[in-house]
Amino acid sequence: AQSVTQLDSHVSVSEGTPVLLRCNYSSSYSPSLFWYVQHPNKGLQLLLKYTSAATLVKGINGFEAEFKKSETSFHLTKPSAHMSDAAEYFCVVSGFINKFYFGSGTKLNVKP
Amino acid sequence: GAGVSQSPSNKVTEKGKDVELRCDPISGHTALYWYRQSLGQGLEFLIYFQGNSAPDKSGLPSDRFSAERTGGSVSTLTIQRTQQEDSAVYLCASSLSRAGADTQYFGPGTRLTVL
Repeated sequence: AQSVTQLDSHVSVSEGTPVLLRCNYSSSYSPSLFWYVQHPNKGLQLLLKYTSAATLVKGINGFEAEFKKSETSFHLTKPSAHMSDAAEYFCVVSGFINKFYFGSGTKLNVKP
Repeated sequence: GAGVSQSPSNKVTEKGKDVELRCDPISGHTALYWYRQSLGQGLEFLIYFQGNSAPDKSGLPSDRFSAERTGGSVSTLTIQRTQQEDSAVYLCASSLSRAGADTQYFGPGTRLTVL
């Protein structure tokens, strides 16, 4: 079975400071992991995905995530937050079949 | 190219009425998924199609919910005798295949409000 836990429901950072959004997963199969972003009243957009290749994955808009099997984690980071990064972020796990299990989401607030 | 499209974008209906929600996947994508996004419930899987067949209907909340896909393309999610708890955003996604590593591309959703 697969599941995802996003450890923070809300994260607030100042513009220009680093972003860390935490995600832990559980999977009985070698997982694929994704981060999606949802801006207000917009659809879900893929940020990045891990599929058993390089453990450090780079995505769009300067985001990256590191797959750590020993910690069952896939945290999302960005060195410097921008106002446009304010959105809700979802960590997703899928197994052998492409059935997505979503985390509960983390709302990122970026203060000027 | 064109992404996943859904219609209508908004639907307001009265309790007890039936509604149909439509999804047009990306051309060539064999796998299609329906999810529901509601306050307090997060994003939950409803049903998945591979071609025109639905190997996994495990997420459908009750027998009032059904879905079909025709021609390996368009899908319709039908909710009969709607209830207020059905109010949510219904999201459709498609992927090239059903492999676990495939990216799912999401449509903008249909916001359903049941009065």
